[in-house]
Order: sequence, then C-alpha cells, then structure tokens
Amino acid sequence: SSVLTQSPSVSVAPGQTARITCVGQNIGSKNVHWYQQRPGQAPLLVIYDDVDRPSGIPERISGSNSGNTATLSISRVEAEDEADYYCQVWDSSGDPVVFGGGTKLTVL
Amino acid sequence: QVQLVESGGGMVQPGRSLRLSCAASGFTFTTYSMHWVRQAPGKGLEWVALILSDGSSEYYADSVKGRFTISRDTSNNTLFLQMDSLRGADTAVYYCARDLHNNFFDHWGQGTLVIVSS
Repeated sequence: SSVLTQSPSVSVAPGQTARITCVGQNIGSKNVHWYQQRPGQAPLLVIYDDVDRPSGIPERISGSNSGNTATLSISRVEAEDEADYYCQVWDSSGDPVVFGGGTKLTVL
Repeated sequence: QVQLVESGGGMVQPGRSLRLSCAASGFTFTTYSMHWVRQAPGKGLEWVALILSDGSSEYYADSVKGRFTISRDTSNNTLFLQMDSLRGADTAVYYCARDLHNNFFDHWGQGTLVIVSS
C-alpha cells in the first residue's frame, strides 16, 4: 500500500507562504486530500481532490499534485494557520485509507 | 447541519472490551460509508476501520483486525466500534468520520478518548 512522507515541521513568518509537501510513489496519479488539525480539535478538511476547497476554507489555502509530490500551500500565513496538517489518499491495495505522518506548521 | 457525536470512551484494563458509538444527524446516514480513525497521544492520524453505506462490507487496519468490529444501526443512525482484547497501543482519541465518495472525510466527530492501562 501507499506510503506518504511529510516533513515533521515547517516554520514561516506571518504574511509569508508556507508549503507543506507529501511525498509518495506516483502520488500524482491519486487524489490527495489535506486536513488541518488545531490543538485539541478534530481534523478539518481543507483541500480535497488535489486542488478543491470545501466551502468556508479561505482562498489562501491551495493544493497541487504532480509526479511524486503533493503540496499544500498557504499564502499570507496568519497565526490561526498554526496547526498540524495531514495528507491522505485512498488506496486500492492494502489499507483503503492512508495518511501521511503530519506536518506541524509553526507561525513565527 | 451534519453532526457526528462519539461516546463510550474511557479507561479500561488490557484484555478487556469497550464499545464506542457515533451518533449521526443532519444527513441521510444510509447513503454514506463511515470510518473510525484514531490518534494516539502526540501522534498522527491512523485509519482503523470502514463500513460501506449499505453495511455490506467492512475493512480493518492490520493493527486491529480480528479484535475490532465496526457496525452500524440504520434505524438509530449510529455507528459502532466494538473493541475487544484491548492493548496499551490502542490508547488514542477515536474519531468517527463521514466518507465522501470512498475518497475523503468531509465531516469528523469531536473524538472520544480511550485509555488502556492497568
């Protein structure tokens, strides 16, 4: 089954752009979804099907996916963006749901 | 609006059993597959189990296969997770989540904490 690798942490100053990557073999052929999890809260879907945003998610949050890397980008980073972010795919072999290990975004 | 409310967590001794519930409201329960996802303290998300919308099939992570059973009661719009032979490694917050198109989770419950300890 798929293995998704995320960097443990990313730090960015307010107003800058944060990029969080999710690396997996040929991940570009799969639909990648991203969740934001603030401390003490349940995960929240922020990007689905590589690039789509659920209603209520700001346009500052975007996604891309190609080759072996999917990327979650957050522009004009704000303090409220500080959270853990997880990528996820649906896998047709092995476990049907695979999560990346998560990336902690710190706003400096 | 869509609501998922878990209950049934608590502290239990190793080897014992626990049954988690997830009360669903605000949507047609029978048209969605449902999952349990857990998160050990300070760790990432781990998928646990899936039950299809019609209850016809169930899938489990290797770590819980043979010990956990997912089920659903369509008359009461409730999802369950029966957890037997519990181990310390099962200590986690357990979330139920709604599956959209066998693809991703568009709604999550607030989670219920299970602690397995003697």
